Amino acid sequence: QVQLQESGPGLVKPSQTLSLTCTVSGGSISSGSYYWSWIRQPAGKGLEWIGRIYTSGSTNYNPSLKSRVTISVDTSKNQFSLKLSSVTAADTAVYYCARVGFGAARSMDVWGQGTTVTVSS
Amino acid sequence: DIQMTQSPSSLSASVGDRVTITCQASQDISNYLNWYQQKPGKAPKLLIYDASNLETGVPSRFSGSGSGTDFTFTISSLQPEDIATYYCQQYDNLLVTFGPGTKVDIK
Repeated sequence: QVQLQESGPGLVKPSQTLSLTCTVSGGSISSGSYYWSWIRQPAGKGLEWIGRIYTSGSTNYNPSLKSRVTISVDTSKNQFSLKLSSVTAADTAVYYCARVGFGAARSMDVWGQGTTVTVSS
Repeated sequence: DIQMTQSPSSLSASVGDRVTITCQASQDISNYLNWYQQKPGKAPKLLIYDASNLETGVPSRFSGSGSGTDFTFTISSLQPEDIATYYCQQYDNLLVTFGPGTKVDIK
């Protein structure tokens, strides 16, 4: 079955750019039947949707993060990526990637295990 | 933007109890509502999609209902392995919002 795995630096300095990659295995990211999403969760807090990409490159972002976020896809590597610029301590969180279905409510049915990113000098 | 509220924020119940969580949207979202379970240190798991559909492989004691602005998530008979935080999630106008979560534990 499809599995997702996040990877990237666990420590990022303030004002720098956070970069994460989600590798999809067990299926093709280009199948056309799904979107691909990033979600984050600060320690002890709730879930925050960051954004979503389709394999065509079409994206949608959380308005509160839109000015700093870029999500891209590399179909040749079966990966999609997140870049978050000008990070501060408030961006410290567990970052998850997820597969998003085309159902009415765009449910996220497969999730990566999550990767912790700390923003600190 | 659509805001989501959940109640209660936490609850304690006995094994075998019926547990109900409500989620309210700030405006009509039809049936564009999903429910997730998150255990400590783990990724969320999809339980209910499109307000009332049980995800494949999820036990039938979990159910969801509602449409418009008011939604309900029910565990018909609480089991020890159901200890977790439950989140609702809405989709509207290309954007996604999660509810603040409801923490469920055993009394």
